[in-house]
Amino acid sequence: DAKTTQPNSMESNEEEPVHLPCNHSTISGTDYIHWYRQLPSQGPEYVIHGLTSNVNNRMASLAIAEDRKSSTLILHRATLRDAAVYYCILAGTYKYIFGTGTRLKVLA
Amino acid sequence: DAEITQSPRHKITETGRQVTLACHQTWNHNNMFWYRQDLGHGLRLIHYSYGVQDTNKGEVSDGYSVSRSNTEDLPLTLESAASSQTSVYFCASSRDRSTDTQYFGPGTRLTVL
Repeated sequence: DAKTTQPNSMESNEEEPVHLPCNHSTISGTDYIHWYRQLPSQGPEYVIHGLTSNVNNRMASLAIAEDRKSSTLILHRATLRDAAVYYCILAGTYKYIFGTGTRLKVLA
Repeated sequence: DAEITQSPRHKITETGRQVTLACHQTWNHNNMFWYRQDLGHGLRLIHYSYGVQDTNKGEVSDGYSVSRSNTEDLPLTLESAASSQTSVYFCASSRDRSTDTQYFGPGTRLTVL
């Protein structure tokens, strides 16, 4: 099964942009790239997803490499409420695999 | 508003007992999923269902079972609880395709003594 690799933790200063990387070298052509985040003591919540093109929504942007073997979640201005574990997931037929995620710490 | 709920939110049980965790969604989603979350492992898929009467094993299905008799509910049963099944359990649902966004419940913290 396809897996993703993310750094265990990252830090950012408040109001600064954050780039969260994800490697998925075994991605198949039909896999979507999803990002979720999990706040303390809560279930994961959807952030953004894409297939080939870069995507933007009110929460974040997703930049996908041309070969699709990596992607980057971009938070344009980190706030204290963005402190969470961020998961990069490959979603395809019969598979939706979470990795261990990146714990983002936002410094005031 | 549509939602996904889990019950109980906390459960303490003894080794060897049968335990059932409930999951109920009001979105009329076809797909439902059960995950467990342990420190250092992220979320791992236990079982999933793509519709009524459909169930499938995930990566950590041993010792667990599910049944889907209607669209709204996917109960997770631990046939004979073991201490290794102490974990936080999350239920999720999605609309149609396996690539659709998943909506997660608040979780059930299960302790097996």
